Amino acid sequence: GNSVTQMEGPVTLSEEAFLTINCTYTATGYPSLFWYVQYPGEGLQLLLKATKADDKGSNKGFEATYRKETTSFHLEKGSVQVSDSAVYFCAQVRAAGNKLTFGGGTRVLVKP
Amino acid sequence: EAGVAQSPRYKIIEKRQSVAFWCNPISGHATLYWYQQILGQGPKLLIQFQNNGVVDDSQLPKDRFSAERLKGVDSTLKIQPAKLEDSAVYLCASSLSGQGSEAFFGQGTRLTVV
Repeated sequence: GNSVTQMEGPVTLSEEAFLTINCTYTATGYPSLFWYVQYPGEGLQLLLKATKADDKGSNKGFEATYRKETTSFHLEKGSVQVSDSAVYFCAQVRAAGNKLTFGGGTRVLVKP
Repeated sequence: EAGVAQSPRYKIIEKRQSVAFWCNPISGHATLYWYQQILGQGPKLLIQFQNNGVVDDSQLPKDRFSAERLKGVDSTLKIQPAKLEDSAVYLCASSLSGQGSEAFFGQGTRLTVV
């Protein structure tokens, strides 16, 4: 079935460090891929998305590229800030039926 | 634009009691999702509606959970009877139809079963 696997956290970084969170998916067909973020005390919100192979989603300095050949959608940011401390979820929507499936989440803690 | 509304925000009940959660999606959103998020885990889809029809309820524990979206707008999720392991945050989300549509989430209902 369709599933999403992402690296476990927590990931602890210093401010201005480079962040990568790995995400791979299994799916029939070509799903749309998403990164959602959950800041402390807040609800889930969309960070970025990509709807087809080789698309790059970007927002707030974060980027992720839809790699069909490796079934991956890794999240990257070149220089993190304390305000980026949150839980990040990789997700997919399969082509048929609009079912939205999440990975387990990765907690990121950025220290000053 | 109003977001996804959920109520209540918090609920504490004893095991074997019943509880209901309410969700009002963004106006015009045909797809509505209910998720269960246990502490430290990713959201798990319980049920997905397209208008007032069920698209996917394969992970809904149907012996105790039920959900409806009678008029294709707001929705209720019920648990009867509750178990200790039902303690979680219950999230409602909605989206327009079509692949690639962003899902918008409510603040969730935190349920504690004691």
